[in-house]
Amino acid sequence: EVQLVESGGGLVQPGRSLRLSCAASGFTFDDYAMHWVRQAPGKGLEWVSGISWNSGSIGYADSVKGRFTISRDNAKNSLYLQMNSLRAEDTALYYCAKALRERSLSEYFQHWGQGTLVTVSS
Amino acid sequence: DIQMTQSPSSVSASVGDRVTITCRASQGISSWLAWYQQKPGKAPKLLIYAASSLQSGVPSRFSGSGSGTDFTLTISSLQPEDFATYYCQQANSFPPLTFGGGTKVEIK
Repeated sequence: EVQLVESGGGLVQPGRSLRLSCAASGFTFDDYAMHWVRQAPGKGLEWVSGISWNSGSIGYADSVKGRFTISRDNAKNSLYLQMNSLRAEDTALYYCAKALRERSLSEYFQHWGQGTLVTVSS
Repeated sequence: DIQMTQSPSSVSASVGDRVTITCRASQGISSWLAWYQQKPGKAPKLLIYAASSLQSGVPSRFSGSGSGTDFTLTISSLQPEDFATYYCQQANSFPPLTFGGGTKVEIK
């Protein structure tokens, strides 16, 4: 069974940093691209960032480019999101999501974690 | 960037009704479109990918159609468990991958 478990969320002041983690199990992690998708309270879904199976290709939404960094450790079956210079508008539930097909980055999201809440407020 | 526009933003329907939700892309995306269902407090669930392919385990009352810029999600006979918010997502252009604004299906 595929499991994605996010962690690292919390309350943080504007301008500070936070690092999210996603622990994956139940599939061959290094065969799949992985993504972060967020949802502000009461709002819709927003794709944040994605990384290919081998970290060779990475992409970001314009809203986080230059502030957020996605990475993965295939030896640890883990995905990360380093979030710097956080703003109030980054407040959201952050989901880790697994691509549908192997070795495909521009993709659909087959499995999702339960999300980790990030609140940016003074 | 490709913008995805869903309509309507909400729809009221009764159990047994046929419900249709549309999604329009700002430029052609071939068949690179998915539909998700999200219930309150839960993560989204993939229903349809490649515009019309039913994800494993999803009931056959859900169907998708369209290509290019115009797409449709149809629920042929609405069931109580189908009351939720539905999102479309394009996978033609990366980055970014983009979602529609969502359609809330409510009980009439």
